[in-house]
Amino acid sequence: SQTIHQWPATLVQPVGSPLSLECTVEGTSNPNLYWYRQAAGRGLQLLFYSVGIGQISSEVPQNLSASRPQDRQFILSSKKLLLSDSGFYLCAWIPAGRDQPQHFGDGTRLSIL
Amino acid sequence: DAKTTQPPSMDCAEGRAANLPCNHSTISGNEYVYWYRQIHSQGPQYIIHGLKNNETNEMASLIITEDRKSSTLILPHATLRDTAVYYCIVRVIYNFNKFYFGSGTKLNVKP
Repeated sequence: SQTIHQWPATLVQPVGSPLSLECTVEGTSNPNLYWYRQAAGRGLQLLFYSVGIGQISSEVPQNLSASRPQDRQFILSSKKLLLSDSGFYLCAWIPAGRDQPQHFGDGTRLSIL
Repeated sequence: DAKTTQPPSMDCAEGRAANLPCNHSTISGNEYVYWYRQIHSQGPQYIIHGLKNNETNEMASLIITEDRKSSTLILPHATLRDTAVYYCIVRVIYNFNKFYFGSGTKLNVKP
């Protein structure tokens, strides 16, 4: 069966420090991968999506970047974190196919001090 | 880019049916309606989706109006564990499978 792993579950970082959040999917090939951010009490904002290795599309301009070095690995990064980068970060994937629901990881709660 | 409108909150008595409405008046012919829910501090959980016809699974039923401009998610016998934020999403099949989440409806199931 397919599973998605996201880590770490929580992270506290100082302003100006770098960031690397990792997401991996098991049990499928060539999934579409997504990064979302959720501010406290708000809905999910789509940040990046990827349809294949090295193919990244950004939805909104921001202080973050994403990379897909392997088929089932999706990484969210920042060189210098801002206070506004705080939030709940969620990775999601969709298996190949036209009519498939999106599946989410358990998320990373990022606090910037 | 959310293309749906949902009430911000609703209450439901435990054991009763919860009917959550969603307006998607600009929906196109190739857009599916998806429903997810998010329990606090967890990732969203897929519930159900449909295109034209009503759908039912072990979790819920989805009723889509004939003109497809609105839909209702029905939880037939709500429990306290159904307390969550429910998101209604319209998704274009071929648009790289992007999902846009709105603010959702906070369902409070009360004993």
